[in-house]
Amino acid sequence: AQSVTQLGSHVSVSEGALVLLRCNYSSSVPPYLFWYVQYPNQGLQLLLKYTSAATLVKGINGFEAEFKKSETSFHLTKPSAHMSDAAEYFCAVSFTGANSKLTFGKGITLSVRP
Amino acid sequence: DTAVSQTPKYLVTQMGNDKSIKCEQNLGHDTMYWYKQDSKKFLKIMFSYNNKELIINETVPNRFSPKSPDKAHLNLHINSLELGDSAVYFCASSVVPRGGNTIYFGEGSWLTVV
Repeated sequence: AQSVTQLGSHVSVSEGALVLLRCNYSSSVPPYLFWYVQYPNQGLQLLLKYTSAATLVKGINGFEAEFKKSETSFHLTKPSAHMSDAAEYFCAVSFTGANSKLTFGKGITLSVRP
Repeated sequence: DTAVSQTPKYLVTQMGNDKSIKCEQNLGHDTMYWYKQDSKKFLKIMFSYNNKELIINETVPNRFSPKSPDKAHLNLHINSLELGDSAVYFCASSVVPRGGNTIYFGEGSWLTVV
């Protein structure tokens, strides 16, 4: 079965520091991978997705992620954190085929210190 | 215009009551979903409809009954509410139910059962 693992529950960085949020996947078939962000009391917004084209994917708000098949990873990075980046981040996976469902990791909370 | 809109946003109700959450999307998508986010922020799919036809039905108690009058609407009715039903319910949509398609989420409906 396809799944994603997000280790840890909370990451805290200083404003201006590198943001690195980890995601590892498990899939017996080529995966589609997504990062969503959830701001407090809001819905989920797509940051970026990998669909087997370029392995380095650029998203909104300066975020990017790199698909590494050898490491089964899809880590999210941003060179310089802003206070407005504080939110919950979810990695998710789906797979080829009809009626495919999106399966989420448990999420990770990003805090940004002034 | 809001792409995926759901009402109400907040709902507080007593155990044993019946309640409904309504969802509409104006993206022209064929597929709609209900996801549940529990108190630990874990997201899990409940149902998926494609062109008004149920295609995904996870192991959800039969007190939960989705209804799709047309492909732009997907409502969720919950009978005999229990304390454990307290959660955030997200409606979502995608062009088609295939892996790799972006799923667009509504703002969520916060249900509290007391």
